[in-house]
Amino acid sequence: EAEVAQSPRYKITEKSQAVAFWCDPISGHATLYWYRQILGQGLELLVQFQDESVVDDSQLPKDRFSAERLKGVDSTLKIQPAELGDSAMYLCASSGPGGWYEQYFGPGTRLTVT
Amino acid sequence: AQSVTQPDIHITVSEGASLELRCNYSYGATPYLFWYVQSPGQGLQLLLKYFSGDTLVQGIKGFEAEFKRSQSSFNLRKPSVHWSDAAEYFCAVGSYDKIIFGKGTRLHILP
Repeated sequence: EAEVAQSPRYKITEKSQAVAFWCDPISGHATLYWYRQILGQGLELLVQFQDESVVDDSQLPKDRFSAERLKGVDSTLKIQPAELGDSAMYLCASSGPGGWYEQYFGPGTRLTVT
Repeated sequence: AQSVTQPDIHITVSEGASLELRCNYSYGATPYLFWYVQSPGQGLQLLLKYFSGDTLVQGIKGFEAEFKRSQSSFNLRKPSVHWSDAAEYFCAVGSYDKIIFGKGTRLHILP
C-alpha cells in the first residue's frame, strides 16, 4: 500500500539553527499539506500545496518558516532560525483523486529544539 | 467559523469494556465529519467519515460513530476495546478542502 514518506523521523537541534524536513506524498496526489502538532493541541495547518502552488499558507510563520514543492511532487519545510516554541511534531499529508477529504498522513518528524 | 470540541482529554477504560469518545462541532451547514486515530509515534489514520445519509457510520477496526444534528455531535463508539486501541483519537470537521481537527482524546486501556 502506498504511503506518505517523511524524513527525518526525529530531529534535535539547538535554537537559532536551521532545520529542514522532507515529505514525499503518495504518487499521483496533487495536494500536499504540512501540519504542526504541539503536544496537547490539535493539528494546525501550516501550508497547503496544489501541485507546486501554495494555496494556503495563512498560518505559516513566514519570518522563519518556508515551504516549497518545486516539481509538484516532494516537499521541504524549513525553519530558520529554530526557536524553543517550534518543538512539535510536523506531519505531512496528501490527498489525490479520492478527494480532499481523503488525507493520508506520514509518520511525522518529531522536532526538539534545545 | 468551524470548530471542533473534544471534551475529554484522557479516557481510561478496561480491556473488553465499551467505549464512547465525545465530539461536538460548530458549523453552519451539514459538515463533513471525521474520526482519526494516532498511535504513538505515528501519523494519523482515518477511522471513518460522515458526509450525508445514514447517521450511523461504520469504520475500520470495529469503530462506529453517530451523527446527531440536534446535538451537533459525532461521538465515536466501540463495543469492546482491545489493548491495541490505546492511542490518541481526533475528531475533525471539514469543508472547502480544509479539515479542522479537535485537540484529541488520549485513550488508555487497563488490562
